[in-house]
Amino acid sequence: DQQVKQNSPSLSVQEGRISILNCDYTNSMFDYFLWYKKYPAEGPTFLISISSIKDKNEDGRFTVFLNKSAKHLSLHIVPSQPGDSAVYFCAASASVSGGGADGLTFGKGTHLIIQP
Amino acid sequence: DSGVTQTPKHLITATGQRVTLRCSPRSGDLSVYWYQQSLDQGLQFLIQYYNGEERAKGNILERFSAQQFPDLHSELNLSSLELGDSALYFCASSPRVRQNTEAFFGQGTRLTVV
Repeated sequence: DQQVKQNSPSLSVQEGRISILNCDYTNSMFDYFLWYKKYPAEGPTFLISISSIKDKNEDGRFTVFLNKSAKHLSLHIVPSQPGDSAVYFCAASASVSGGGADGLTFGKGTHLIIQP
Repeated sequence: DSGVTQTPKHLITATGQRVTLRCSPRSGDLSVYWYQQSLDQGLQFLIQYYNGEERAKGNILERFSAQQFPDLHSELNLSSLELGDSALYFCASSPRVRQNTEAFFGQGTRLTVV
């Protein structure tokens, strides 16, 4: 039962254009969403996050959009640069009763390839 | 460099054996998380410790255990190893109890069970 789904294993985009990475989730308890970027032989690196009370968060070239009714979020990268070529993971977090913590639930990732 | 250190980077061992993976969090971070990344499963949350106490459990097998020491470093113990335990094991740290903002990942330990 995959609660966070990234349906595109790979995406190829020309340098300078917009990259749009998509993510769908099924668990209504998720209230925080994050995007991580991963290069080979390195750990994931945090990119940007969004709380469920917002529908958009922007940080430089990266913007995350959240559509709660559709249980869908997307990461936009504008303009795309060669250094953006990596695997991008969508992740979600749910609060736990009693104020406890929970780990992140990750999608399987999308390999973004930026072509010159 | 995320500031999270994992050792060893690579580990090859035989089925049935026991191994210990080590994680040193970023200075000042109280939370340590362990994740397993296998080829077909993506990143799976295993367990979290916060300031020495277990706070959350994910898909961690009974053969696996972890602990966090007073100096905040953490160890993940994997026993009775099976071929299917071959994976990348990541540790992440954050200053907060909840990993809902940025958390910093180490480079991982690649475990190969033969």
